[in-house]
Amino acid sequence: ILNVEQSPQSLHVQEGDSTNFTCSFPSSNFYALHWYRWETAKSPEALFVMTLNGDEKKKGRISATLNTKEGYSYLYIKGSQPEDSATYLCALSPSGGNNRLAFGKGNQVVVIP
Amino acid sequence: NAGVMQNPRHLVRRRGQEARLRCSPMKGHSHVYWYRQLPEEGLKFMVYLQKENIIDESGMPKERFSAEFPKEGPSILRIQQVVRGDSAAYFCASSTGTSYEQYFGPGTRLTVT
Repeated sequence: ILNVEQSPQSLHVQEGDSTNFTCSFPSSNFYALHWYRWETAKSPEALFVMTLNGDEKKKGRISATLNTKEGYSYLYIKGSQPEDSATYLCALSPSGGNNRLAFGKGNQVVVIP
Repeated sequence: NAGVMQNPRHLVRRRGQEARLRCSPMKGHSHVYWYRQLPEEGLKFMVYLQKENIIDESGMPKERFSAEFPKEGPSILRIQQVVRGDSAAYFCASSTGTSYEQYFGPGTRLTVT
């Protein structure tokens, strides 16, 4: 069983503030790392897929970094807006060629206007 | 290009009945994955299928659950003789097989009464 941990589980952020959260995974069993954004009653939306140590990806005000040696990824939201309120899911594609994803429980973000 | 479609979105079954959940992948995608989210849990992998083949069913309960992805038509996740513990949200994702990215549907919420 692959253990993907996300912290903090939930957080409230004031509009305009920046925030970040962490995804930890077993570094010995890494193939790719995914971030999804998930709003209630909608489909999880793919944000980033990262494969290389040191990868950095950016999409608007959201960015992510990857450290495969120590087994963590950070997701950053700059200048949070109410529309950023969602659950952010981290998922690991393990090594071995099978693309089944192992998900963390998510980081639930509420942006307070 | 329509996204991943799942139907029904909500399904209520009495204990002992059968539940059939359908997933139509994105156009051009021949790989389908099913995940389940139990209450207070993260998404958990169930099964990975390509057209007419089950590639990995390591996450499927051994009894009552089956999945198929026929040459024509949607992928079906079938749960026989449902029990209350089967109540969950069931998500389908699809990919091209050559990409790491998986695109998710909106899920089917199954309630067993």
